[in-house]
Amino acid sequence: NAGVTQTPKFQVLKTGQSMTLQCAQDMNHNSMYWYRQDPGMGLRLIYYSASEGTTDKGEVPNGYNVSRLNKREFSLRLESAAPSQTSVYFCASRLQGKGNQPQHFGDGTRLSIL
Amino acid sequence: QQQVKQSPQSLIVQKGGISIINCAYENTAFDYFPWYQQFPGKGPALLIAIRPDVSEKKEGRFTISFNKSAKQFSLHIMDSQPGDSATYFCATGNTGGFKTIFGAGTRLFVKA
Repeated sequence: NAGVTQTPKFQVLKTGQSMTLQCAQDMNHNSMYWYRQDPGMGLRLIYYSASEGTTDKGEVPNGYNVSRLNKREFSLRLESAAPSQTSVYFCASRLQGKGNQPQHFGDGTRLSIL
Repeated sequence: QQQVKQSPQSLIVQKGGISIINCAYENTAFDYFPWYQQFPGKGPALLIAIRPDVSEKKEGRFTISFNKSAKQFSLHIMDSQPGDSATYFCATGNTGGFKTIFGAGTRLFVKA
């Protein structure tokens, strides 16, 4: 069972470069999420997609865009990377509408911006 | 942004000891309180969760204690083992809601 798959696992960018982080889930979940994790800050929500065809801003959306390509895939794009976006990015999915269901996370993308 | 305040930031416990991590929340409408466990290089994974209609839930060596009036909940790890060394996040949310609010995390190290 693959669960939530994120690519790439590591990436180094120069300031101003663009990049898309990919996420795919095979659990037929309807909701998907992008978080960033920074030391002492926990997990902060960047964007989420409640269902296919919808996306909404989270706590820290500035500098990012997302695309819910289909039910399985949810990508995160950095149009012009900045050093402040150096972080570990996690994608998660969740089955919505069936009581309290946990979020299932991928193993993250470690992104460094020089 | 409504917060979940988690403490301590880090914790060192001897093997066999009890690890205790505390969280406080603000919104009384929250009705789902999960704890996630994260090992280095991995994403968080659900460890145990509780609803506010019970004061305690136990699964093996892991127990959540919930105090609705104080708006606090805690994770107790009994007989802590080196394999429990990880980062633990408390979280809150609403049944049917889309967002989960996470605490800042506690890095636990269990000494052999």
